[in-house]
Amino acid sequence: QKEVEQDPGPLSVPEGAIVSLNCTYSNSAFQYFMWYRQYSRKGPELLMYTYSSGNKEDGRFTAQVDKSSKYISLFIRDSQPSDSATYLCASDAGGTSYGKLTFGQGTILTVHP
Amino acid sequence: DAEITQSPRHKITETGRQVTLACHQTWNHNNMFWYRQDLGHGLRLIHYSYGVHDTNKGEVSDGYSVSRSNTEDLPLTLESAASSQTSVYFCASSEDRVSPLHFGNGTRLTVT
Repeated sequence: QKEVEQDPGPLSVPEGAIVSLNCTYSNSAFQYFMWYRQYSRKGPELLMYTYSSGNKEDGRFTAQVDKSSKYISLFIRDSQPSDSATYLCASDAGGTSYGKLTFGQGTILTVHP
Repeated sequence: DAEITQSPRHKITETGRQVTLACHQTWNHNNMFWYRQDLGHGLRLIHYSYGVHDTNKGEVSDGYSVSRSNTEDLPLTLESAASSQTSVYFCASSEDRVSPLHFGNGTRLTVT
């Protein structure tokens, strides 16, 4: 079992839809949780970065972390065609393991006009 | 603007050759990382550095080496390239040990 599991999709939604992307993880030591967006032939671009459980909102994006159920979510409101990309969740235990990110497989999202 | 750049963007090499991939960041970040991305495996950590003259092995370090002689650069060397090292390589950096990683745009390496 991978330490971070992510539904690879693909996910196709109409413009304006609310998108929900999800990951589960198994390592209780994970403290930091990230969502990256990756366009084709580009590097991962940081979208959200959270510590421990809770919600974080940035514009149309909301990240949720529930450490009790080991569940990570990213919500995209009013989705746009420019949101079409691969979304990667990642986790980090921090401390002496800082920077050793464990990534999900990525979910391919297409937002069609 | 500060940034992280990788070169070359694409590289084709032959089995057995030594290859060095460059990573340069202008943020003055202490921490630098090398990951590789492969279908079916996602992104995996190769080597990392928490500062000048510090280097550490990651999950998939066999066949790779790094050196950190200054803050800005962390070159990745494949000592003797193998077909299994065909991949997309990403360099990343971060300011401190509670900050997120920021990635470059990658080097696509093909070993024939």
